[in-house]
Amino acid sequence: EDKVVQSPLSLVVHEGDTVTLNCSYEVTNFRSLLWYKQEKKAPTFLFMLTSSGIEKKSGRLSSILDKKELFSILNITATQTGDSAIYLCAVGRGTYKYIFGTGTRLKVLA
Amino acid sequence: KAGVTQTPRYLIKTRGQQVTLSCSPISGHRSVSWYQQTPGQGLQFLFEYFSETQRNKGNFPGRFSGRQFSNSRSEMNVSTLELGDSALYLCASSLSGTGLSGNTIYFGEGSWLTVV
Repeated sequence: EDKVVQSPLSLVVHEGDTVTLNCSYEVTNFRSLLWYKQEKKAPTFLFMLTSSGIEKKSGRLSSILDKKELFSILNITATQTGDSAIYLCAVGRGTYKYIFGTGTRLKVLA
Repeated sequence: KAGVTQTPRYLIKTRGQQVTLSCSPISGHRSVSWYQQTPGQGLQFLFEYFSETQRNKGNFPGRFSGRQFSNSRSEMNVSTLELGDSALYLCASSLSGTGLSGNTIYFGEGSWLTVV
């Protein structure tokens, strides 16, 4: 059965810390891996990864995919209180369906 | 460019009633998918539509149904509501829904359904 597992489930850090969120997957017919940030509303898109080893970067956030070991990481450097959210990982298959992990709840303390 | 629009945003229904939720995708997007989000289960896939055809369906009972119109707008319906149907229902749109590069899915704000 296809599955996407995120870790840790939650973490609390202080402003300025660097965090690494993990997403591992076992999915047939892998097409892409997506990261989303969800505050108290709809998930907002962060990154889409399709190729191994190519880092995607946006400001303090970056992500990379390892298709051999079947995982991705999302890094956030110099965290701010505005980074507090649930971070979701989703894997796109070839059957018009995205499988989501349960998310990592990040809380950044001032 | 307008985003994904969902209506209504909030609603309260009584057990046994039915509900219809609406979703207008981003202009040009032809794939619309629906997800149920609850605290314990995360995002669960309901179904996906493209060109008025359902291409995939998640593991939900037949009380959950959907459809897509020729303008790509979509509706989902839940009949005979149960307390456990209380959730955030999210609609997402993409160009083709294939998961391939360039086919990012974008979410609407969601419809918060409370069943009492």
